[in-house]
Amino acid sequence: GAVVSQHPSRVICKSGTSVKIECRSLDFQATTMFWYRQFPKKSLMLMATSNEGSKATYEQGVEKDKFLINHASLTLSTLTVTSAHPEDSSFYICSAEQGDLNSYEQYFGPGTRLTVT
Amino acid sequence: KQEVTQIPAALSVPEGENLVLNCSFTDSAIYNLQWFRQDPGKGLTSLLLIQSSQREQTSGRLNASLDKSSGRSTLYIAASQPGDSATYLCAVNTGGFKTIFGAGTRLFVKA
Repeated sequence: GAVVSQHPSRVICKSGTSVKIECRSLDFQATTMFWYRQFPKKSLMLMATSNEGSKATYEQGVEKDKFLINHASLTLSTLTVTSAHPEDSSFYICSAEQGDLNSYEQYFGPGTRLTVT
Repeated sequence: KQEVTQIPAALSVPEGENLVLNCSFTDSAIYNLQWFRQDPGKGLTSLLLIQSSQREQTSGRLNASLDKSSGRSTLYIAASQPGDSATYLCAVNTGGFKTIFGAGTRLFVKA
């Protein structure tokens, strides 16, 4: 099956610094990648959708200047949390869509746990 | 606006029991519905994907059904095992790059 990786799996950073999270589709080309955020004991909330080579589409309430998303290639998308604060601590999950118009199946990465101290 | 609800929020069963998890959605215009498993602190593992034209999918001890007209899906787990303990999420894809998740059902299977 299709595999999506995320790096790092865990990161601890100091308040005010920036953190970059990578999402890679290992064995397929992902025309669309998604970034989700999960709060403890809550469901996933879509943050943004990115298509290769174009600007990401952010969901309402998500600060695009704080959560920078780049989808530079068909196998890589990055999420950069800029000037991180403790309230940004969360579990971030990416997913990738293979681009089969008949399926719309998303493949999820293992997630990245961000802790901002 | 599509909303996805999962019932129950938590479930505890003895090992060996068959169980059903429920998922309901408000808008029947979906492309597909997926069931996921999430272990604490981990990412999502896709269990079953049902396309809108399908009624059910099976994988091992898992069976998922979909009734689009009534906005419901069920995940049936046969002969539950302690290793099945996890949170189970259902998600509907409404097209236009939108996937809406339910809040999940936390399952605990007692040995």
